[in-house]
Amino acid sequence: EVHLLESGGGLVQPGGSLRLSCAASGFTFSTYAMTWVRQAPGKGLEWVSSISGIGGSTYYADFVKGRFTISRDISKNTLYLQMNGLRAEDTAVYYCAEGREFYDSFWGSYRPNYFDNWGQGTLVTVSS
Amino acid sequence: DIQLTQSPSSLSASVGDRITITCQASQDIFNSLNWYQQKPGKAPKLLIYDASNLETGVPSRFSGSISGIDFTFTISSLQPEDIGTYYCQQYDNLSSFGPGTRVDIK
Repeated sequence: EVHLLESGGGLVQPGGSLRLSCAASGFTFSTYAMTWVRQAPGKGLEWVSSISGIGGSTYYADFVKGRFTISRDISKNTLYLQMNGLRAEDTAVYYCAEGREFYDSFWGSYRPNYFDNWGQGTLVTVSS
Repeated sequence: DIQLTQSPSSLSASVGDRITITCQASQDIFNSLNWYQQKPGKAPKLLIYDASNLETGVPSRFSGSISGIDFTFTISSLQPEDIGTYYCQQYDNLSSFGPGTRVDIK
């Protein structure tokens, strides 16, 4: 059974940094795409970033590009999201999700298409 | 960027009713669209992938279809456990979600 457990959320001041972790189990971590999706309080879902299983290509939403970095440690079966330059509008529950991927000829690499399994989320609050 | 619009934004229906949610893309995304259910306080759950394929283990009362840039999600007979918010998600150009449709029981 797939299990994803996020951690690392908390209260941080504007401009600060935080690193989220997602510990994965129950599947071959190195061969599946992983994604971060966030949800601001009372709002909808927002795709943040993905990393492909094959090749480890990374993808970002425009609103986090240059501030957030997605990475993974295959030896630890753990996904990370390093968040720098945090803003009030980054306040949200951050979910990690595992899913399938496909080869995108436009990008010349694999990237995720759907998100099969999700963690329970970790809350990030950016406030002074 | 691809924009997704969903309608209605919310609906209230009786148990046993057939309900339909529409998701429209701002450009042709072929069949690169999925549907998720999110119950209050829970993580989303994948229901339909590639516009019309039912995820394993999902009840057959859920279905999806496509007509051009319009995607339709249907619950053929609404059940009390179907309460929640439903989101479409495209992956034709990176990824994005629609704004969601809240479903509750009348």
